[in-house]
Amino acid sequence: GQQVMQIPQYQHVQEGEDFTTYCNSSTTLSNIQWYKQRPGGHPVFLIQLVKSGEVKKQKRLTFQFGEAKKNSSLHITATQTTDVGTYFCAGGGSNYKLTFGKGTLLTVNP
Amino acid sequence: ETGVTQTPRHLVMGMTNKKSLKCEQHLGHNAMYWYKQSAKKPLELMFVYSLEERVENNSVPSRFSPECPNSSHLFLHLHTLQPEDSALYLCASSQLRGVGYEQYFGPGTRLTVT
Repeated sequence: GQQVMQIPQYQHVQEGEDFTTYCNSSTTLSNIQWYKQRPGGHPVFLIQLVKSGEVKKQKRLTFQFGEAKKNSSLHITATQTTDVGTYFCAGGGSNYKLTFGKGTLLTVNP
Repeated sequence: ETGVTQTPRHLVMGMTNKKSLKCEQHLGHNAMYWYKQSAKKPLELMFVYSLEERVENNSVPSRFSPECPNSSHLFLHLHTLQPEDSALYLCASSQLRGVGYEQYFGPGTRLTVT
């Protein structure tokens, strides 16, 4: 079945440093979604990418979808303490099903 | 956020107990999901209901029994669970329409099986 690998598993940064997490799928995806889960919270939808090579930005967050629609990345510029949490990618295959990566836990030292 | 609610938020049960988890979505969505979230594992999809019909049962043991009486409510009935079933159980909903189907998660039920 479809597998989604996400690296790194953990990332600790100093406030102000940049952060990137990467996602790779074993199969071509129809879309990729990104979620953020704060400590003690639940996953919250951030964004969806659909087109090959698509790039979207949300303030300091930049999301990319690879040309082959099998990989994606999330880049945060100048991290802040409010960015702390686990970032999950989720690959869309069939109409209703998402396959989640294990997530990257980001901690930020103030 | 009150779009998807779950009760109870915490549950401790013995291996011989029977309990139920409840999820309600107030977003008018047409699909609902149960996920299991354990430490150091990806979110595991358990069940999917689309228009009240179960469309996915991801090899989940029969001690977990879902019920979807209408498009707004989803239950997970639990019986004779094992300690390894302790986890955060998350409910989610989405509106299936072409490619766009972001999922909205509830706060989860933290389940401990003793």
